[in-house]
Amino acid sequence: AQRVTQPEKLLSVFKGAPVELKCNYSYSGSPELFWYVQYSRQRLQLLLRHISRESIKGFTADLNKGETSFHLKKPFAQEEDSAMYYCALPYPGDYGQNFVFGPGTRLSVLP
Amino acid sequence: NAGVTQTPKFQVLKTGQSMTLQCAQDMNHEYMSWYRQDPGMGLRLIHYSVGAGITDQGEVPNGYNVSRSTTEDFPLRLLSAAPSQTSVYFCASSPSETGAYEQYFGPGTRLTVT
Repeated sequence: AQRVTQPEKLLSVFKGAPVELKCNYSYSGSPELFWYVQYSRQRLQLLLRHISRESIKGFTADLNKGETSFHLKKPFAQEEDSAMYYCALPYPGDYGQNFVFGPGTRLSVLP
Repeated sequence: NAGVTQTPKFQVLKTGQSMTLQCAQDMNHEYMSWYRQDPGMGLRLIHYSVGAGITDQGEVPNGYNVSRSTTEDFPLRLLSAAPSQTSVYFCASSPSETGAYEQYFGPGTRLTVT
């Protein structure tokens, strides 16, 4: 079965420090991977997807098929990055473009 | 555009009661979904729909019913509430273009079953 794991429930860093949110997956095939973010009192929203290779709000993520990882990185964390982050991949087969989500990591950026 | 709206925001039910969680979207999206979120777990797919009149089961469908009579609305019905259904429920919609894969989420409904 497809799974997404995020080993850290909570990650605290100081403002200006680098941040890496870990995501590992198990998937039979060539996966697409995504990061969703939920800021306080806001809705869950798409942050980035690996196929676009974009940098959104300074975040990047590289798909490493050998390590089955899709870690989210930012070189200099800002306080406004504090949020809940979810790694996700599409359900295989005919599931109507829905996602398997990881349990999430809460990022806290301290002043 | 209001995007995806959900009502109510909070609900407390007693075991055995039934209720309907409402979800609507004004983006003319064909795809709509319901997820539940429990502590320490990611969102899990309950039911989904790929268009009006078409619904299908997700990963955790037991105890829930859905229908899709219009493109805009996708209500989730709890038939006989159980404490195990205490959760936060999210509705989402997405366009039907192949590979689009961006889901737009509602604000969630926090349900407690006592």
